[in-house]
Amino acid sequence: GNSVTQMEGPVTLSEEAFLTINCTYTATGYPSLFWYVQYPGEGLQLLLKATKADDKGSNKGFEATYRKETTSFHLEKGSVQVSDSAVYFCALILPGAGSYQLTFGKGTKLSVIP
Amino acid sequence: DGGITQSPKYLFRKEGQNVTLSCEQNLNHDAMYWYRQDPGQGLRLIYYSQIVNDFQKGDIAEGYSVSREKKESFPLTVTSAQKNPTAFYLCASSIMEGYTFGSGTRLTVV
Repeated sequence: GNSVTQMEGPVTLSEEAFLTINCTYTATGYPSLFWYVQYPGEGLQLLLKATKADDKGSNKGFEATYRKETTSFHLEKGSVQVSDSAVYFCALILPGAGSYQLTFGKGTKLSVIP
Repeated sequence: DGGITQSPKYLFRKEGQNVTLSCEQNLNHDAMYWYRQDPGQGLRLIYYSQIVNDFQKGDIAEGYSVSREKKESFPLTVTSAQKNPTAFYLCASSIMEGYTFGSGTRLTVV
């Protein structure tokens, strides 16, 4: 079946540090890939996405590139802020039979300290 | 504005009681989902529905029930058969790959 593996947290960084959260996937086909963010006590918000190989998704200074050869979609940000503290989920959708179910990784909690 | 509303935000129930969590959307989305979130386990799919009057079990459906009588509404009942119901529950709706999530209900069973 389909699955997503992302680096386990928690991750603690100082403000302005560089962030990488690794994500790899297994899928029987060509999925669309997503990063969602969850701020404390809230639901999930879409951060960025990529729908085909070599696409780069970007938003709010975060970037991720769809790497088909390594089945990866690592999340990066050059300079994190305290407001980036949240849980980050990597996910995929492999459409089939009219269904667009999300498969999630387990999430990585990021804490940014001043 | 269109969105998805979960209520209540916090819910406390005694062990052995059934409890129903509300989820309403005005996005005109056909598909709706319920997820359970526990620390370190990510989001696990409980039930989903792609059209009115139809729904399917997800990965952890035991001890839960749902109904989909209206397009806008997808309530989740946590029954007394659910062995460990204390968790954060998230509802979502989607059209193709575009998902919208509610803000969640934190259920605590005492």
